[in-house]
Amino acid sequence: EVELVESGGGVVRPGGSLRLSCAASGFTLGDYYMSWVRRVPGKGLEWVSNINWSGDKTTYVDSVKGRFTISRDNAKNTLYLQLNSLRAEDTALYLCARDPRQWYFDLWGRGTLVTVSS
Amino acid sequence: EIVMTQSPVSLSVSPGERATLSCRASQTVNSNLAWYQQRPGQAPRLLIYDASTTATGIPARFSGSGSGTEFNLTISSLQSEDFAIYYCQQYNDWLRRTFGQGTKVEI
Repeated sequence: EVELVESGGGVVRPGGSLRLSCAASGFTLGDYYMSWVRRVPGKGLEWVSNINWSGDKTTYVDSVKGRFTISRDNAKNTLYLQLNSLRAEDTALYLCARDPRQWYFDLWGRGTLVTVSS
Repeated sequence: EIVMTQSPVSLSVSPGERATLSCRASQTVNSNLAWYQQRPGQAPRLLIYDASTTATGIPARFSGSGSGTEFNLTISSLQSEDFAIYYCQQYNDWLRRTFGQGTKVEI
């Protein structure tokens, strides 16, 4: 079955860090660009970051630049998102998505919840 | 940033009825628009891309239309599994892809 499964979310204090993972199955991760998208309570979906096939090209939404880092391990079929210097406004459900042409997203995971609270 | 505005915020319909959801872009996105469905607790699912092309495996009751700044998603005869939140997304500005806030379709 073609599937993406996120993990690593949790409750963290402002200024803290988390590392999210997204395990891919049923397809070869290295054949695709991949993205992280977040669903912010009351605000809908926001694209956060994407990464190319080899992992040497990354892009970020302005609000997370310098704080979040996207990476991948194609041998493990896994995508990552390192979240540092977390803020209350980063509270969201984080979803990974397959990003075949850097246009629309053709496969999504269910997400992992990140709550930033003191 | 291109702002996507969906209307209505929520829509109450009965099974078997037709539903039309709207999405407006703050500037032209040509036909570079996708629609997604998200059921509670499930992963979002791609329904439509390029404004009117149905994604693989999507039932024929889903259709998309529009170009430029005005788009519609139509569900011709609502089934119980169609009650969900629907999002539009532009990729005309592919470096800064943006979504609408969603329309909740409920019974």
